[in-house]
Amino acid sequence: QLQLQESGPGPVKPSETLSLTCTVSGGSIISSTYYWGWIRQPPGKGLEWVGSIFYSGSTYSNPSLKSRVTISVDTSKNQFSLKLSSVTAADTAVYYCARAGYYGSGSYFDYWGQGTLVTVSS
Amino acid sequence: DIQMTQSPSSLSASVGDRVTITCRASQSITNYLNWYQQKPGKAPKLLIYAAFSLETAVPSRFSGSGSGTDFTLTISSLQPEDFATYYCQQSYSSPLLTFGGGTKVEIK
Repeated sequence: QLQLQESGPGPVKPSETLSLTCTVSGGSIISSTYYWGWIRQPPGKGLEWVGSIFYSGSTYSNPSLKSRVTISVDTSKNQFSLKLSSVTAADTAVYYCARAGYYGSGSYFDYWGQGTLVTVSS
Repeated sequence: DIQMTQSPSSLSASVGDRVTITCRASQSITNYLNWYQQKPGKAPKLLIYAAFSLETAVPSRFSGSGSGTDFTLTISSLQPEDFATYYCQQSYSSPLLTFGGGTKVEIK
C-alpha cells in the first residue's frame, strides 16, 4: 500500500523559507505513470494546488506562487520536497503531498499524505 | 488560468436525500474533471475522475456527470458518512491544476 508522509521543521517566521519533504513508501517515486504534487489548505478554507514534479525533475507551479516555489526530487531517498520562500501569514496552511495518476492527458490525486500544518508567525 | 466555481457553497440535507453539487469551469475542460470528498482533519479522498468514472471502492450512490464547462456530483441517497466537504478539480491544463471552492454538506 502506497503511503506518503510530510515532514518539516515546524513554525516559520515571516520572510523566511518554508521547507517540507514528502517521503514515499510502498512504491517507487520513479514512474512514468505517476507524478507528485503539493496541495495546501489554509485553516477553514479550500484546497489550493501549489505545484508538481515528475521524477525526471520537471516541475510546474501555481502561477500565483511560481516565483516563490521550488520543488525537487531525490530518487535515491524516494522523496520530493517543497520550498516556499518569503513566506507571510497568508502561507499558513495544512500542506499535503500527493501522488497524481493519469487518465488520457488529465490527472487526479489518488494517494495523499496526512498533511502537516505549517504556521507562519513571528 | 482556468477558474472553477462550485455551487452551492454549503447545503443542509437529511439522510436519504438526493444531493446535487454543481461545478462550473471558466472555459471548456471537456471531461477533465475530478471530485474529492474531505472530512474534518483528514486528507481529501478521490471519488470520481474523468467526470463520471468512479474510483475503486467508492459507493455507487456517488455519480458524476457533465462535460465542457458544467459538471454535477450527485449522491443518490445521502448516508451519515457522506457529511463532508466536496471539491471539484480540473486537470484539462494538467499538470497545472485548479480546485473549486468546495461545497460543505451538513446535516439538516
